[in-house]
Amino acid sequence: DAGVTQSPTHLIKTRGQQVTLRCSPKSGHDTVSWYQQALGQGPQFIFQYYEEEERQRGNFPDRFSGHQFPNYSSELNVNALLLGDSALYLCASSWRGGGYGYTFGSGTRLTVV
Amino acid sequence: AQSVSQHNHHVILSEAASLELGCNYSYGGTVNLFWYVQYPGQHLQLLLKYFSGDPLVKGIKGFEAEFIKSKFSFNLRKPSVQWSDTAEYFCAVNAGNSGGSNYKLTFGKGTLLTVNP
Repeated sequence: DAGVTQSPTHLIKTRGQQVTLRCSPKSGHDTVSWYQQALGQGPQFIFQYYEEEERQRGNFPDRFSGHQFPNYSSELNVNALLLGDSALYLCASSWRGGGYGYTFGSGTRLTVV
Repeated sequence: AQSVSQHNHHVILSEAASLELGCNYSYGGTVNLFWYVQYPGQHLQLLLKYFSGDPLVKGIKGFEAEFIKSKFSFNLRKPSVQWSDTAEYFCAVNAGNSGGSNYKLTFGKGTLLTVNP
């Protein structure tokens, strides 16, 4: 059990559609980060949410957006899906930013056709 | 900008062989260093981490890593691997003592370890 819950586990979408992925952090954690892991690559940082605000963002277009709720859970939204958005999307939770450790969820496998 | 380089894409060993996976990072300041493991079909799990102090860090399942600041390296080692160590291993770094300005983890591309029984 990772302690971080992501849903759904798998998703197939059509190019141009929009998708929402969800993450519940580990108990006691208040920060959620999102990563994209393409096949054969290491995870790439998308953004981090703390106190319901985006605190840091990686090199991803504005089509990628997110939200954090008062209960610390988070959503990742991707608009105008491209074939290249097909990847495993990982959520990582941590405490106060996470410089001291992150717990990862099992991810959502997104396939864009 | 931070970057992480893992030297080996795929390592194949027999059980009981010794393991060393290379990891070099590029960053001019203080860093926190991590090794994560991803077993087939499972989530990323933390093997060990270095923040400060003793540069030889011991983790779970008999793994250890040594931080060599002068070489910007954080190599992972295990004296004797088991079939159950078959997995993908990721080295990661984030800026330490950043004053709260850099929280992202930067990962290497990973090393797939296959251990043959």
